Amino acid sequence: SQTIHQWPATLVQPVGSPLSLECTVEGTSNPNLYWYRQAAGRGLQLLFYSVGIGQISSEVPQNLSASRPQDRQFILSSKKLLLSDSGFYLCAWADGTLLYEQYFGPGTRLTVT
Amino acid sequence: AQKVTQAQTEISVVEKEDVTLDCVYETRDTTYYLFWYKQPPSGELVFLIRRNSFDEQNEISGRYSWNFQKSTSSFNFTITASQVVDSAVYFCALSDTDSGGYQKVTFGIGTKLQVIP
Repeated sequence: SQTIHQWPATLVQPVGSPLSLECTVEGTSNPNLYWYRQAAGRGLQLLFYSVGIGQISSEVPQNLSASRPQDRQFILSSKKLLLSDSGFYLCAWADGTLLYEQYFGPGTRLTVT
Repeated sequence: AQKVTQAQTEISVVEKEDVTLDCVYETRDTTYYLFWYKQPPSGELVFLIRRNSFDEQNEISGRYSWNFQKSTSSFNFTITASQVVDSAVYFCALSDTDSGGYQKVTFGIGTKLQVIP
């Protein structure tokens, strides 16, 4: 069966510091991968999605970036965090062929101070 | 453009009451998928159901049931005999493909359900 991991679970970072959130998927090949952000009490905002290694599409221009160095690894980064980057970050995967539902990881709660 | 509307932002019910969560969607595609997800306080989104645009048959899974009506572009979710464990935020979502052939999923803003014991 497939599983998706995210780490860290919780992170407190000062403004201006770098960020690296990691997501890995097990039990599937060539998945579509997604990064979402959820602000407190709000809906989901799609940040990036990837249909293959090195292929990244950005939905929202901002100081965040994403990379997919391996088939089942998706990384969200920032060189300098802003206060507005605080939120709950969710990684998700979907079958790259069927394009059905997305399955979500446990999320990372980021607080920028 | 895709759009998913969940008009109910928060609902409170007393345990054992039935509750229906509304979802209305917009899409120009003839082939699309609809989903419901549950987000408990822990934060992780849990997939509940998928429906494709060609299957309007209602579905029941235990205390959960879903009513899909293309004529009104609605995909409503009913919880029968609600329990405290049903307290969560519920998201409706729509998936179709964009002009580049990529899957695009649009989520509603969610309905927060509180079941009071």
